[in-house]
Amino acid sequence: GENVEQHPSTLSVQEGDSAVIKCTYSDSASNYFPWYKQELGKRPQLIIDIRSNVGEKKDQRIAVTLNKTAKHFSLHITETQPEDSAVYFCAASSGGNTPLVFGKGTRLSVIA
Amino acid sequence: GAVVSQHPSWVICKSGTSVKIECRSLDFQATTMFWYRQFPKQSLMLMATSNEGSKATYEQGVEKDKFLINHASLTLSTLTVTSAHPEDSSFYICSARGSGRGYEQFFGPGTRLTVL
Repeated sequence: GENVEQHPSTLSVQEGDSAVIKCTYSDSASNYFPWYKQELGKRPQLIIDIRSNVGEKKDQRIAVTLNKTAKHFSLHITETQPEDSAVYFCAASSGGNTPLVFGKGTRLSVIA
Repeated sequence: GAVVSQHPSWVICKSGTSVKIECRSLDFQATTMFWYRQFPKQSLMLMATSNEGSKATYEQGVEKDKFLINHASLTLSTLTVTSAHPEDSSFYICSARGSGRGYEQFFGPGTRLTVL
């Protein structure tokens, strides 16, 4: 089955700086790669996703890149703000009946 | 659109009792539902996958007789934790994927289970 590795487990950045979180996956059949932000006690919130037919996607301060050959994808947050502080999870799936498999998460702290 | 509700949001029960958690897709038909468990400061771990009208597929290490999953309709799935013990205390989250909704999984708000 799919295995998703996520790094780093914790990340502290100064407000205004960029944050990068990286994930690798094992199953070459995976073709959907979402990123979630989760605040304590709440459901994961989708912040951006990418399909395997695209190498990069951007939404304002958030971007995701995908390298299918190397089986890795990354989340980039620019101009970080204190409200970006949360736990971020990457995930991978091949769709249909196959579930999302999550990375272990990255606790991002943005220091004002 | 694509709203998933979960009930109850939290529950406290005594050891040995059973607890039922409901997951509903409010505005779409959920062809597949997934149940995850999340312990404090950990990731979401898949427990099982269920398709409407068929038996759930459980992940390795998840006891199917302890965690009963029923997906009786395209809008409702239930997870029953039978003979709950303190180690079952966790945050249980359901998610749903619907036909025509692409690859995205829509998550419920989660249920915090505490077993005393």
